[in-house]
Amino acid sequence: DQQVKQNSPSLSVQEGRISILNCDYTNSMFDYFLWYKKYPAEGPTFLISISSIKDKNEDGRFTVFLNKSAKHLSLHIVPSQPGDSAVYFCAASVQGAQKLVFGQGTRLTINP
Amino acid sequence: NAGVTQTPKFRVLKTGQSMTLLCAQDMNHEYMYWYRQDPGMGLRLIHYSVGEGTTAKGEVPDGYNVSRLKKQNFLLGLESAAPSQTSVYFCAHSQGTEAFFGQGTRLTVV
Repeated sequence: DQQVKQNSPSLSVQEGRISILNCDYTNSMFDYFLWYKKYPAEGPTFLISISSIKDKNEDGRFTVFLNKSAKHLSLHIVPSQPGDSAVYFCAASVQGAQKLVFGQGTRLTINP
Repeated sequence: NAGVTQTPKFRVLKTGQSMTLLCAQDMNHEYMYWYRQDPGMGLRLIHYSVGEGTTAKGEVPDGYNVSRLKKQNFLLGLESAAPSQTSVYFCAHSQGTEAFFGQGTRLTVV
């Protein structure tokens, strides 16, 4: 049973536009959510996180939104840059960054 | 390297062979993890440890064993490798708000 789902395997966005990546979860016990970025042949690197007591968190070009009632979170990247082309994973956990449960990933391609 | 080193980076095994993957972290974190990544499956937790001398099963533990004899090291063992264990393995460590991942070990079992 997939507790964290990313239903879009891939997304293509024009450079300078907004990229929106989506993630759904089923376990209501999750209270901490993270986004990771992964380049080929490298390990995932942390991007941004959000606690369930918030509904939005910003860090530069990256904003994560959390809708607890819908069990949905999204990552917005504005403006999108070619270096943002990578696979993005959302992850969820109970009580901080422990035992992260990952989604399947979304491959983002930024076109010039 | 996010304070974590995985060895080896690549390995090809024959079915039935055994091997150990080593993860070493230099950030003195309590929590350590082994994940595997397969196409379309994301990262799945194999085993984890909440401190020196402790280990626990994750989502997909069958066919693997682990040990955490020293706080900085977390070993993943395959006693009798199977083709289904062909994957990319990631070690991670955490203490609070984010987990730090190694660069991965690409394992092929033929």
